[in-house]
Amino acid sequence: NAGVMQNPRHLVRRRGQEARLRCSPMKGHSHVYWYRQLPEEGLKFMVYLQKENIIDESGMPKERFSAEFPKEGPSILRIQQVVRGDSAAYFCASSPESGANVLTFGAGSRLTVL
Amino acid sequence: KQEVTQIPAALSVPEGENLVLNCSFTDSAIYNLQWFRQDPGKGLTSLLLIQSSQREQTSGRLNASLDKSSGRSTLYIAASQPGDSATYLCAVRGGGGNKLTFGTGTQLKVEL
Repeated sequence: NAGVMQNPRHLVRRRGQEARLRCSPMKGHSHVYWYRQLPEEGLKFMVYLQKENIIDESGMPKERFSAEFPKEGPSILRIQQVVRGDSAAYFCASSPESGANVLTFGAGSRLTVL
Repeated sequence: KQEVTQIPAALSVPEGENLVLNCSFTDSAIYNLQWFRQDPGKGLTSLLLIQSSQREQTSGRLNASLDKSSGRSTLYIAASQPGDSATYLCAVRGGGGNKLTFGTGTQLKVEL
């Protein structure tokens, strides 16, 4: 069991480009959560997804950010037209079911916008 | 809106010392509280989880307590070791959903 796999681990983009971050949950987990950690700040919830459904996107910025978790393949967090303020570590977590006590976190994807 | 605060922000102690990390939260209507460890450039490792009905949890040299009514939790680390050096995060899960609200962490350094 490889745990929660995130890639790329490090991503550099220039302002205006698109960033795509991928998350493969643990085997048997059908629930995925994305969190963002800005420099010197705590982790902030962004979005909670099940397969083919967005359950809670209350933490997602209104523009440029989107997330999906298709029936097949990893969950993807997409940031369009990146700005320097998007530079952060983006963490994915997964759980086997709704209401599960413990989330398993991935190692994170660190986005740097030049 | 739930807010989680951790004090101190940073702590440096000599090896062998017992220490306490503090976490406070503003909304006592929580489902559970977790303590995580984050190493530089790494993900989060869950250390202890306390359900809202529990008062404490122990794992090895770690003991976490929860006083839900006062909105406080402490993480006690006994006989600290250099390998304990990391950032410790406290997170609460509200009663209405699955998302966690994190504190900003305490950066611990245990020196030889």
